Amino acid sequence: NAGVMQNPRHLVRRRGQEARLRCSPMKGHSHVYWYRQLPEEGLKFMVYLQKENIIDESGMPKERFSAEFPKEGPSILRIQQVVRGDSAAYFCASSPGLAGAGEQYFGPGTRLTVT
Amino acid sequence: AQSVTQLDSQVPVFEEAPVELRCNYSSSVSVYLFWYVQYPNQGLQLLLKYLSGSTLVKGINGFEAEFNKSQTSFHLRKPSVHISDTAEYFCAVSDGSNDYKLSFGAGTTVTVRA
Repeated sequence: NAGVMQNPRHLVRRRGQEARLRCSPMKGHSHVYWYRQLPEEGLKFMVYLQKENIIDESGMPKERFSAEFPKEGPSILRIQQVVRGDSAAYFCASSPGLAGAGEQYFGPGTRLTVT
Repeated sequence: AQSVTQLDSQVPVFEEAPVELRCNYSSSVSVYLFWYVQYPNQGLQLLLKYLSGSTLVKGINGFEAEFNKSQTSFHLRKPSVHISDTAEYFCAVSDGSNDYKLSFGAGTTVTVRA
């Protein structure tokens, strides 16, 4: 059973470009969570999605960031007009249902560098 | 929102020596506490968790952690480390009301040398 897949693993974008990060949850998992880790900081919750629904986006920056989890295909975290401060590692996690108590399974992360 | 402090960013240790990784969190009425490990090029893997009950929690790979409510700490220990324990370790906390929303410390890199 493959784990949570994220691609690309490393992404370089120039300021002003768009970044698209993909997350394929574990088989049978319908809930996805995105976290961001800024340099020298811990992971911070961004958004929680179920198929075709955003459940909690309280950790998402108000502008330029969006997330989706369509009925078919991976979850996408989209960052428009990237700035240097967006450089970070972005982690995705999945769970079969609403995950409490550490039941989230994490992917290896995408490291975004904005030049 | 919860905050988590991992007091050591780097911990070098010799093989078969003990190791302790420190973690403190901001207080709350009820919290769940976790330790995750990340090996190179892999995702975070749950080592152990504290939900309630006994304050001493045993996890995988010989790790254990002790919940101390009065000191708001959840330190991770292993009595004898192996080279394969070289990894980054993250302490995390969630509160009881939104327990899917994990807050993480900045991580501690453990390097085990022969």
